Parts: sequence; structure tokens; C-alpha cells
Amino acid sequence: GNSVTQMEGPVTLSEEAFLTINCTYTATGYPSLFWYVQYPGEGLQLLLKATKADDKGSNKGFEATYRKETTSFHLEKGSVQVSDSAVYFCALSDLQGAQKLVFGQGTRLTINP
Amino acid sequence: NAGVTQTPKFQVLKTGQSMTLQCAQDMNHEYMSWYRQDPGMGLRLIHYSVGAGITDQGEVPNGYNVSRSTTEDFPLRLLSAAPSQTSVYFCASSQGNEQYFGPGTRLTVT
Repeated sequence: GNSVTQMEGPVTLSEEAFLTINCTYTATGYPSLFWYVQYPGEGLQLLLKATKADDKGSNKGFEATYRKETTSFHLEKGSVQVSDSAVYFCALSDLQGAQKLVFGQGTRLTINP
Repeated sequence: NAGVTQTPKFQVLKTGQSMTLQCAQDMNHEYMSWYRQDPGMGLRLIHYSVGAGITDQGEVPNGYNVSRSTTEDFPLRLLSAAPSQTSVYFCASSQGNEQYFGPGTRLTVT
């Protein structure tokens, strides 16, 4: 079946450091890929998405590129801020749109000032 | 727009008790779903609905029932709670390429 694997956390960085959170997937067909963010005590929010190979999703300085050849969708940000501290989830959907998401286990990110 | 709302925020149950977690959305979305979030496991799909009157099982449906009598509401029922159902439960709705999540219900079963 479909699955998503994220890099193990937690991840701790200093402010203005470069961030990469790795995500790889296994899927049949051509899934859509998503990154969601969960701030403390809140539900999940969509951070960015990509629906086909070589698409780049971007939002709030975060980027991720849909790489079909390596089945990856790594999240990157050039200069993190304390406010980026959260849990980040990679997810895929094998249906049109965002239904029936399959999530990775989540990566907790802490940014120190 | 309130978006997706869930009640209660917190609940403690004893083993064997029943309860209903409420979920409502005011965005007129056809698709709604329930997930549970457990440490180190991400979110797992419990049940989903593609429209009023239509529901289906997700990855972990055992011990849970759902119904969808209106577009707005999608309650999740635990008929006989078990400690393994201790978790944070999220309801979501979507139309197209984005799911909108509620704030969650933290459930503890003792």
C-alpha cells in the first residue's frame, strides 16, 4: 500500500539556519504530495503542495519539489525563525484532490533564538 | 466562517463507556474525514464520507462508528471505549486539493 517516511526527529536548529526535512514515499500511480504544519495546541494547516512530477510547492519561505525519480518531497527553508517551531507532516493522496491522506510520522522542529 | 469545529476539546472516559465526538463544518464541503494522531505514527484515517448518506472505512475503523445525515455534521461514535483509543482525534473537510482540519479532541480512556 501507499506509505510516507519522514526523517526522524526531533530536529533542533538555531535561528537563521538552513532547514531540510526529508520525506520519501511509496505509491502506485501519481499521488499528490503535501506538507502540513501543526503548531502547539492546534490542528494541522496545509503548508504547501505539489500535484505532479517536478512541481515545486512554496509558502512562507518553505519549498518542496516533487521528485518522481527519487520518490521524494523534501521540505527546505533557507533561514528558519523561532516562529517556525512546530511539527511538520509529509502526506500523499492517491485520489484526485486531497482526500484519503496518508501521513508520515511527523517531525518536531524546534528553533532556538 | 468558523471552518471546522470539534467538541469537546478534552474528554476522559472509563473503559466500556460510550461517547460521541462532534464535528461540524460551515464551508459546504462534500468530503469529511476523521483521523487519530498517536505519537510517532502521524495521523491515521478512521472513517470518511464523500457526501451526506455515504460513509466508508479508512485504515483503522475498528471500535468506531460514523454517520452523515447532513453535509455539515460528521459525528464519530465510540460504542465501548478501550484504553487503545486514547489519542487525539482530528476531523477534516475538503473540497478539491486542500483539507481543513479542526482543532482536535484529546481523549483519554482509563
